[in-house]
Parts: sequence; structure tokens; C-alpha cells
Amino acid sequence: IPLTQSPSTLSASVGDRVIITCRASQLFNDWVAWYQQRPGKAPQFLDLETSNLDGEVPSRFSASGSGTEFTLTISNLQPDDSATYYCQQYISYSYIFGQGTKLEIK
Amino acid sequence: VQLVESGGTLIQPGRSLRLSCEASGFTFKNYAMHWVRQVPGKGLEWVSSISWNSYEIAYADSVRGRFATSRDNGRNFLYLQMSRLRAEDTATYYCAKDIDPAAAKFGDAFDMWGQGTMVLVSP
Repeated sequence: IPLTQSPSTLSASVGDRVIITCRASQLFNDWVAWYQQRPGKAPQFLDLETSNLDGEVPSRFSASGSGTEFTLTISNLQPDDSATYYCQQYISYSYIFGQGTKLEIK
Repeated sequence: VQLVESGGTLIQPGRSLRLSCEASGFTFKNYAMHWVRQVPGKGLEWVSSISWNSYEIAYADSVRGRFATSRDNGRNFLYLQMSRLRAEDTATYYCAKDIDPAAAKFGDAFDMWGQGTMVLVSP
């Protein structure tokens, strides 16, 4: 049950808003996790569930969706947002990752 | 919270290798743990998961029968025993902590990752 992310690559400017989509081939789990991986670093879980203004994940990041389509929205892009973003689902004793979306900040 | 992997190296195809992950800063015994790998320049691939009490262990099809995951809750260590290594096992291997302290088996996400350890399988 693959997860398909779109776009695969994305180039945007500081201050822009971008949307990354993650689609499942069928309904299994009504939630996806999102991860950010900066170049040369380990992936980092994006905790988008809690009100997180003072936490590690800026409020500029938000997630939505259900069923087979999920989105990660990043508003007011900052240079530090340059990274590859992955979605992931837990499906019956296994985990599936999307192929990743590489976000470049112009 | 800290996860530190070790054991990665250059190793010949067909050989065996054990990776370790030392956990600190949280109650290790309460959480399922996971291994995820990443081929250089490629995406993330889930490898294996182990429940808090080791009763449930799951593997990706690509490693089932060759890799074995275990843990030592007394010493706060997670292990990945890899055997019959292949060139396609070349990757950075990350250990990751489950998000759910109450998961009977496995939770939905991995909320903390180690820095990774590189395994290069080559003659």
C-alpha cells in the first residue's frame, strides 16, 4: 500500500506558502505522520497535533486530511525549512513512507 | 532524549553485523522501538519494530529471515543483528523511538531518531 507524495520536488521563495500532498492507494489508517529531514541530518518528527507556538515545530507548519489524502502546509517559508519531507503510515505491523518531497528555498 | 547508534562499518557480502542503539533520557522499557534505513540519496525505508516487552517483532519483507531485532530493557539498548548481508543493505541505519508510551504493540509514529550509523556492504 504505497504512499505517494506530490510534488517530488518543490522550489519556493521566502514568505511563500507550500502544500505537500500524501496519498494512500487505499484507506487503512486515518492519520499520517510527517517528518522533516535536513541535509546530512536524521529525520525529525513534526509534532503537529499540539498547540506548539513555543515548541520545536513552528506554528507555520500544519497538517490536515483524512482517508486517503493528507496534506502538510508550510506558511511563510523560511530558509531553515529547506529539507526533504516524508509522510508515513502505520499499517498492520508495518510502516510505509512516502518517497519524499524535496523543498528548496530560492 | 537521546538515541545513539553504533556498529556500522564496511563489511563483505554474506557476512553478519550487529548494530546497537543506546537510549537515554526516557523510560526505554515503556516504548516500542524501531529501525529505519536510508540508502544514500534515497528515501526512508522501515526495517523492523519491536514492542516494549519484545513480544511483538515485525520486519520488512526485504530483511525478514536475515535480520533479527532485540532489546535489553535493563541496559536501555536496542539491537539489530544482520546476517547474510547484501549490497542492497548498504544504508544509514537509524533507530527511532515510538511515539506512544501505552502502545501494546506499536504506535503510529517515531518521535525521536538517532543520528544513524552507516553500513557499507561491499567486497
